[in-house]
Amino acid sequence: QKEVEQNSGPLSVPEGAIASLNCTYSDRGSQSFFWYRQYSGKSPELIMSIYSNGDKEDGRFTAQLNKASQYVSLLIRDSQPSDSATYLCAVIGGSQGNLIFGKGTKLSVKP
Amino acid sequence: KAGVTQTPRYLIKTRGQQVTLSCSPISGHRSVSWYQQTPGQGLQFLFEYFSETQRNKGNFPGRFSGRQFSNSRSEMNVSTLELGDSALYLCASQGGGGYNEQFFGPGTRLTVL
Repeated sequence: QKEVEQNSGPLSVPEGAIASLNCTYSDRGSQSFFWYRQYSGKSPELIMSIYSNGDKEDGRFTAQLNKASQYVSLLIRDSQPSDSATYLCAVIGGSQGNLIFGKGTKLSVKP
Repeated sequence: KAGVTQTPRYLIKTRGQQVTLSCSPISGHRSVSWYQQTPGQGLQFLFEYFSETQRNKGNFPGRFSGRQFSNSRSEMNVSTLELGDSALYLCASQGGGGYNEQFFGPGTRLTVL
């Protein structure tokens, strides 16, 4: 059973701090990794994709991938209350093309 | 470019009925995937259609089915509804280019009474 694991949280950080969200996956053949943000009552929104080991930065967001450790993370710098949401890690497995999602980490940014 | 659209947005049905949900992908996207989201199980993959063919299927009973039309619009059908089918049903649109990025529609909230 291919799995994606995330800490469910809630993760609470003060405004302006760095929020660090982590995800591990079981399928060593996975090639594509994504972070989605989901506000309460809304659908998931793609915020980052990463395909190679290392870091990928986009504005306040940095995704980090370590395929040897089967680990992907998302850093949110200068966290804002508007970042409060559930963050979903998703992986496309080596043998199938569908997204496998973690259960999500709920982030709360306190003013 | 318009995003993914799903209709209807909300639906209330009773046990034993059937339901059809519709999804229109982003213009030019040929792949549509369907997911079920519940508080307990999270987001689970139902099936994927590409060029009118089911390309991939998740672990759901045969009551869940789908199809895709030549204009890439997709429908999913659930027959003999059960209480446990109450969920948010999401479709995701994927373009080409090899990056596998999927973009979600707003979802259809199905309540089975």
